Amino acid sequence: RKEVEQDPGPFNVPEGATVAFNCTYSNSASQSFFWYRQDCRKEPKLLMSVYSSGNEDGRFTAQLNRASQYISLLIRDSKLSDSATYLCVVILPAYSGAGSYQLTFGKGTKLSVIP
Amino acid sequence: DGGITQSPKYLFRKEGQNVTLSCEQNLNHDAMYWYRQDPGQGLRLIYYSQIVNDFQKGDIAEGYSVSREKKESFPLTVTSAQKNPTAFYLCASSAGKHNEQFFGPGTRLTVL
Repeated sequence: RKEVEQDPGPFNVPEGATVAFNCTYSNSASQSFFWYRQDCRKEPKLLMSVYSSGNEDGRFTAQLNRASQYISLLIRDSKLSDSATYLCVVILPAYSGAGSYQLTFGKGTKLSVIP
Repeated sequence: DGGITQSPKYLFRKEGQNVTLSCEQNLNHDAMYWYRQDPGQGLRLIYYSQIVNDFQKGDIAEGYSVSREKKESFPLTVTSAQKNPTAFYLCASSAGKHNEQFFGPGTRLTVL
């Protein structure tokens, strides 16, 4: 099983639709989780952190399910400007030395919002 | 303005030459990272540094070298030993290992 897995998509949705992405992770010791968005040929930009209690920022909701080892991102009322690739990031302690840690990006899920 | 910068945006080099990519941040972040992204692929970690004068290998460190002599700077050298150097290189920084990372605009390296 890969360390971090995402459905690559593409997800093609009409404007106004609700869309959800999942990201599964294999290591139960994972400690921190984030969602980023990346526009074509640009750098990733932080969308939101993912907290155990779940968190919401406007039309975006992120949730963590530790029992099933996945995080999710829900986008409500999709806008054309939401079209991008969404990356999940998982951070866990590494064992190669004190204080070291391992962070892994998923390959991303591509979203296209259609007029 | 606080931020993280990379230069140049586009870089062309001949095969067999070493090349150094610049990364500077004025966010006062302790940790800095270098990633590589290939078309249609996810980000892969090359090296990271949690503090000045210390750095650790990531998943694909072979053929690369770094230094961290100053908190603000984390240059990456792509050596001739790197077999497929053409890629999009991204530098990032964070306040600490569990904090969110902020990315620079990236450098597209093409080796001819």
